[in-house]
Amino acid sequence: GDSVTQTEGQVTVSESKSLIINCTYSATSIGYPNLFWYVRYPGEGLQLLLKVITAGQKGSSRGFEATYNKEATSFHLQKASVQESDSAVYYCALASSGSWQLIFGSGTQLTVMP
Amino acid sequence: AQTIHQWPVAEIKAVGSPLSLGCTIKGKSSPNLYWYWQATGGTLQQLFYSITVGQVESVVQLNLSASRPKDDQFILSTEKLLLSHSGFYLCAWRAWGQTYEQYFGPGTRLTVL
Repeated sequence: GDSVTQTEGQVTVSESKSLIINCTYSATSIGYPNLFWYVRYPGEGLQLLLKVITAGQKGSSRGFEATYNKEATSFHLQKASVQESDSAVYYCALASSGSWQLIFGSGTQLTVMP
Repeated sequence: AQTIHQWPVAEIKAVGSPLSLGCTIKGKSSPNLYWYWQATGGTLQQLFYSITVGQVESVVQLNLSASRPKDDQFILSTEKLLLSHSGFYLCAWRAWGQTYEQYFGPGTRLTVL
């Protein structure tokens, strides 16, 4: 079946430094999956951060970017300069074409140090 | 704008007791509805989905059941709780059509003792 892998469970970065959170996926269905990043800030619910539905395209939101790389089956989340307010748990997710399911990675806890 | 409400916010229950969690979507007609579960330190797992009133499909068997009595309401329940049911339960909706993103409620924290 489909799967999403986030290798880092926890990431600590100093404020104003760059960030990359890795996400790779495996999709067995015909067609390209839709890819998402969700975020849960402390004390808040799970929110959609960004999505990309077409291979090769880039999604962006709140200074974060992620590029859908179908050759590498990756969808890494990047930010050039993080802020303390970016501290949260980030989840990569996949929805295969025609599927009712949203498959989540295990999540990455980002802590930004002042 | 669409709003999604879950109740209760948190629940502490005894093993073997019944459970009912609720979810209501306002501002969206005929949404697809989903229940997710996340054990402490675990990943989000989809439990059930529903595309219309009265129809619910199970994705993962956890000795839980779900029902959709109204277009805007989704209920998760069990007659006998297990310790393994502890965790965070999230309700989500998705618009009918070709978009695949889901929007989540605030969740219910369940502790089974």
